[in-house]
Amino acid sequence: GNSVTQMEGPVTLSEEAFLTINCTYTATGYPSLFWYVQYPGEGLQLLLKATKADDKGSNKGFEATYRKETTSFHLEKGSVQVSDSAVYFCALSPYSGGGADGLTFGKGTHLIIQP
Amino acid sequence: SAVISQKPSRDICQRGTSLTIQCQVDSQVTMMFWYRQQPGQSLTLIATANQGSEATYESGFVIDKFPISRPNLTFSTLTVSNMSPEDSSIYLCSVARVAEAFFGQGTRLTVV
Repeated sequence: GNSVTQMEGPVTLSEEAFLTINCTYTATGYPSLFWYVQYPGEGLQLLLKATKADDKGSNKGFEATYRKETTSFHLEKGSVQVSDSAVYFCALSPYSGGGADGLTFGKGTHLIIQP
Repeated sequence: SAVISQKPSRDICQRGTSLTIQCQVDSQVTMMFWYRQQPGQSLTLIATANQGSEATYESGFVIDKFPISRPNLTFSTLTVSNMSPEDSSIYLCSVARVAEAFFGQGTRLTVV
């Protein structure tokens, strides 16, 4: 079956540091890949997505590239802010083209940014 | 986009009882999804609810334990039956639209 593995936290960084959160996946066919974020006291919301190999998703300074050869979708940001403190979830859908039905999630990475 | 309202937001329940969680979407959708997030764990898909047909359950989840209703295209309920402390989790309702999944705020359930 499908699965997503992401680095477990908490990850603690200083403001303006470089961020990488690793995510690898196992899936048959051509899945779509997502990063979701959950800010304190809020619901899950989509951060970025990539629907085919070599696509790069980006939003709010975050980026992730869909690497089929390494089955990875690592999340990066060049300079984090305190407001980026949240829990980040990597997820996949078995549908190519971005269908978001019935997602498989990683365990989530709690990111803490210190001023 | 989609706005999803879930009720209740949290509850503390006695073991052996049942709790029904409601999910209301601000527009019509074909499929609604129910997830569970156990403490320190990932979100796990429980079932997919289609209007007018039986819900489709994922491996490890059964209708007797998690009965689902889908009376119309904007509403669904999930019941957690005969609860035990192991059912303590956050339960989330979700819909998918144009390659994006939207989630309710979740229901935090504690079984004592």
